[in-house]
Amino acid sequence: ILNVEQSPQSLHVQEGDSTNFTCSFPSSNFYALHWYRWETAKSPEALFVMTLNGDEKKKGRISATLNTKEGYSYLYIKGSQPEDSATYLCASLTGSARQLTFGSGTQLTVLP
Amino acid sequence: EAQVTQNPRYLITVTGKKLTVTCSQNMNHEYMSWYRQDPGLGLRQIYYSMNVEVTDKGDVPEGYKVSRKEKRNFPLILESPSPNQTSLYFCASSFTTAGEQYFGPGTRLTVT
Repeated sequence: ILNVEQSPQSLHVQEGDSTNFTCSFPSSNFYALHWYRWETAKSPEALFVMTLNGDEKKKGRISATLNTKEGYSYLYIKGSQPEDSATYLCASLTGSARQLTFGSGTQLTVLP
Repeated sequence: EAQVTQNPRYLITVTGKKLTVTCSQNMNHEYMSWYRQDPGLGLRQIYYSMNVEVTDKGDVPEGYKVSRKEKRNFPLILESPSPNQTSLYFCASSFTTAGEQYFGPGTRLTVT
């Protein structure tokens, strides 16, 4: 089983603050890195799928970067809003690219 | 509407009573998988399927069976449920193994 680790485990920020969290994954045999947003009582929804070293993706106030050589990805949220409160999951796909391994997530709470 | 459906959404059962959780997708996705989510452990893959009649074990397959007789359906079978299978289960599908996963609404299973 691959080790995909996310930090911090949980985070509280004030509305309007910008924040970021980290996903680290094994860099050998890298294939793809996924980010998902998971709101309470809902299902995870895809934010980004990233494959290239140095890749940077953006969706509104949320962006992500990828470093496949050192095995990490950052997720950034600019100007956090209460509706950004959710658990953010990353998942790594490696080798034969058949199996996604998820991290345990970063739980973000944005306080009004 | 493109979606992944699961049934039932909630189930309380007793040890040893066989049960099936259905999963169906209407997006013509080739890749389907089952995950369980337990507190502090994140999403762990149980089984996955790359196409009809092609299934493989994920990280935690013990006590579960799956089948993929049709492209759209991927049922999860617990032949003899035990209390340690109490969990939140998600079915997911995607066009390819590397593609973003579309998750079903989840099935909360309690085994007493």
